Amino acid sequence: RKEVEQDPGPFNVPEGATVAFNCTYSNSASQSFFWYRQDCRKEPKLLMSVYSSGNEDGRFTAQLNRASQYISLLIRDSKLSDSATYLCVVNRNKLVFGAGTILRVKS
Amino acid sequence: DAGITQSPRHKVTETGTPVTLRCHQTENHRYMYWYRQDPGHGLRLIHYSYGVKDTDKGEVSDGYSVSRSKTEDFLLTLESATSSQTSVYFCAITVTPGAEAFFGQGTRLTVV
Repeated sequence: RKEVEQDPGPFNVPEGATVAFNCTYSNSASQSFFWYRQDCRKEPKLLMSVYSSGNEDGRFTAQLNRASQYISLLIRDSKLSDSATYLCVVNRNKLVFGAGTILRVKS
Repeated sequence: DAGITQSPRHKVTETGTPVTLRCHQTENHRYMYWYRQDPGHGLRLIHYSYGVKDTDKGEVSDGYSVSRSKTEDFLLTLESATSSQTSVYFCAITVTPGAEAFFGQGTRLTVV
């Protein structure tokens, strides 16, 4: 079983839709959590950190449930430019990456 | 953007030849990492370094070695390239272990 599991998708959504991605992790010693975004044939870049209290950055909301070892990312009002692969990442003194969820936003 | 450059960006090599990939950073970060990315697997850690001459193995280190003789440079060597090492290789740096990682643009390696 992989340490960080994500639904690979692809999620195909129309512009303006709300879409949610989930991620589970198996190591309860994980200390911090992130969502990264990766465009096709590019390097990953940090989208946002994930805090226990939940956090929001514009159209993006991240939630962490430590008891269930579950992380989520919600994207509201999807834009064409949101099309990318979203990587769930956990930190246990080294970053461990999920395989990513593909999002395709269509006009 | 963080100052990380990888070279070469693309390489085709033959099975059995040695290959060295270079990662150069201008951020003076202590922590450096090499990952490979393959479809369905995400990024997997090959080797990492916590400082000059301080390196350790990641989860997929077989067939790879690294060296770090200067803070700014982290070299990854495939001792005898195999087709299973065809992949995209990313170098990353962090301020502290597990902090936000900044990545180089990647090296696309094909072993034929």
